Amino acid sequence: GENVEQHPSTLSVQEGDSAVIKCTYSDSASNYFPWYKQELGKGPQLIIDIRSNVGEKKDQRIAVTLNKTAKHFSLHITETQPEDSAVYFCAASMTGREKLTFGTGTRLTIIP
Amino acid sequence: NAGVTQTPKFRVLKTGQSMTLLCAQDMNHEYMYWYRQDPGMGLRLIHYSVGEGTTAKGEVPDGYNVSRLKKQNFLLGLESAAPSQTSVYFCASSLTGTSGKNEQFFGPGTRLTVL
Repeated sequence: GENVEQHPSTLSVQEGDSAVIKCTYSDSASNYFPWYKQELGKGPQLIIDIRSNVGEKKDQRIAVTLNKTAKHFSLHITETQPEDSAVYFCAASMTGREKLTFGTGTRLTIIP
Repeated sequence: NAGVTQTPKFRVLKTGQSMTLLCAQDMNHEYMYWYRQDPGMGLRLIHYSVGEGTTAKGEVPDGYNVSRLKKQNFLLGLESAAPSQTSVYFCASSLTGTSGKNEQFFGPGTRLTVL
């Protein structure tokens, strides 16, 4: 089955700087890669996703890049703000598969 | 819309006791999922359902059972709780699987402690 590795497990960034979280996946057939954000005491929430027919997708301060050859994808957050502090999860799946495989999460802390 | 709701929010059980966690969604979603979240291990899928009356095993199904008698509800049962089942449990739902509009909407979680 699919295996998703996520790094780093914790990340501290000065407010205003950029943060990058990286994930690798094992199944070359995977073609759907979402990122979820989990705030303290809440369930995860989708923030951005990408399919394998594109290499990059951007939504305001958040971007995701995908390298299918290397089987890795990354989340980029620019101009970080205190409200970006949360746990971020990457995930991978394949069209037609009903479920996602999640990474182990990255706790991002923005230092004011 | 309430989205995805979970009952109860907290529960403490003794080893060997049983309980049922209830998940309800009001978005008319076909797919529903039960995950457990443990420190350093991310979200692991326990069981899922692709429609009313259907269930399937996920990554860590042992010790759990599920039922989807109504489209809007997905129940997770622990027949004989063990300390290893101490965790935070999340329910999620999505309109479709990964082929279409497949964003998973998560509930607020249930924190379960088994003594």
